[in-house]
Amino acid sequence: QQQVKQSPQSLIVQKGGISIINCAYENTAFDYFPWYQQFPGKGPALLIAIRPDVSEKKEGRFTISFNKSAKQFSLHIMDSQPGDSATYFCAACYTGGFKTIFGAGTRLFVKA
Amino acid sequence: DGGITQSPKYLFRKEGQNVTLSCEQNLNHDAMYWYRQDPGQGLRLIYYSQIVNDFQKGDIAEGYSVSREKKESFPLTVTSAQKNPTAFYLCASSMVAGGGPQHFGDGTRLSIL
Repeated sequence: QQQVKQSPQSLIVQKGGISIINCAYENTAFDYFPWYQQFPGKGPALLIAIRPDVSEKKEGRFTISFNKSAKQFSLHIMDSQPGDSATYFCAACYTGGFKTIFGAGTRLFVKA
Repeated sequence: DGGITQSPKYLFRKEGQNVTLSCEQNLNHDAMYWYRQDPGQGLRLIYYSQIVNDFQKGDIAEGYSVSREKKESFPLTVTSAQKNPTAFYLCASSMVAGGGPQHFGDGTRLSIL
């Protein structure tokens, strides 16, 4: 019940295309869903996050879509650029829960 | 600039040796965490600390130890009992434990000699 399942494991997208990464969770107590971006040799950095009271959040080219009833959320990267090539992790946690549960990660490669 | 500093960036361990990884934060965060990252396995929680002088085991604590004597510092010791220590180790902090974003350092890569 504590797992967050992320797919796909890897993704290749043409420059200018849309990258879509999906995550699913079981624990309905989760109330914070962040996405992290990690470049090789660096630590993950917070990209965008959503709480379950909204169905969508957009920041620039990055959008989180959230489906509470299906217990799924996804990251959409519009107009994907080679500089977006990185590993992306979805995650989930809940207030007072002490732990953040991370997905296994998606390696994105954007072809120029 | 506020952030998390991990050192060293690369570390080599000999058989039977304990090594300590440093993590310092100047974000005034209460909670700190240590993760291990292996290829294709995401981030696995080793230890976490909600406040000074308190810490809890995570999912893979065997062979590791920590201390939290100061709010800013959360060092991780990889003991000789950890038989497969080769990995990328990440330290993180958050304002409070759970329910919010974590800030990560740039990691320490540990290898066996």
